[in-house]
Amino acid sequence: DTGVSQNPRHKITKRGQNVTFRCDPISEHNRLYWYRQTLGQGPEFLTYFQNEAQLEKSRLLSDRFSAERPKGSFSTLEIQRTEQGDSAMYLCASSLGWERAGYTFGSGTRLTVV
Amino acid sequence: AQSVTQLGSHVSVSEGALVLLRCNYSSSVPPYLFWYVQYPNQGLQLLLKYTSAATLVKGINGFEAEFKKSETSFHLTKPSAHMSDAAEYFCAVSDPYSNDMRFGAGTRLTVKP
Repeated sequence: DTGVSQNPRHKITKRGQNVTFRCDPISEHNRLYWYRQTLGQGPEFLTYFQNEAQLEKSRLLSDRFSAERPKGSFSTLEIQRTEQGDSAMYLCASSLGWERAGYTFGSGTRLTVV
Repeated sequence: AQSVTQLGSHVSVSEGALVLLRCNYSSSVPPYLFWYVQYPNQGLQLLLKYTSAATLVKGINGFEAEFKKSETSFHLTKPSAHMSDAAEYFCAVSDPYSNDMRFGAGTRLTVKP
């Protein structure tokens, strides 16, 4: 078990470009979460998958954002037409489905839009 | 809706002194409560959790927290601070009926030599 893996660790992109991040959860975890964290703030919930089904999306997830989890394994988060306000740390977490267990977080992908 | 409030965005203590980081929660159902620690440019690491068993919860690195329903609090303590404790600490809440965990804004702990 290598924990939750996120790639890339850092991404610098020009405004208007599309970016895609990948998250590989712990293999036996059926739930996967995406959070966004801006400087000086706590993580904010974006979306949640149970297996391959996306069950909840936050209002923070505008139409430019899309997330997938094909086959219930890894997940991708794509941001289209990036804006400077999208600059943040994007965190992925996974869990066994019991909210009492807490989540295991990856190290995050830091996005900078210039 | 569930939420947490962390009192004090920045706490500074001397090495060897008591660490106290405050967290108050709001939840319409019995909550699950968590403390996470985050080092620079890293993800969040679970320190400890309360899930309706013992109200005094012990975690890693000598930290502990006490769930007080009457005060809706879940403060984090450590008897003696170490330089390696310097980090950002987040309190979080979830419950059996929710699909996500809600985090506080965080408290940055500084440890002075």
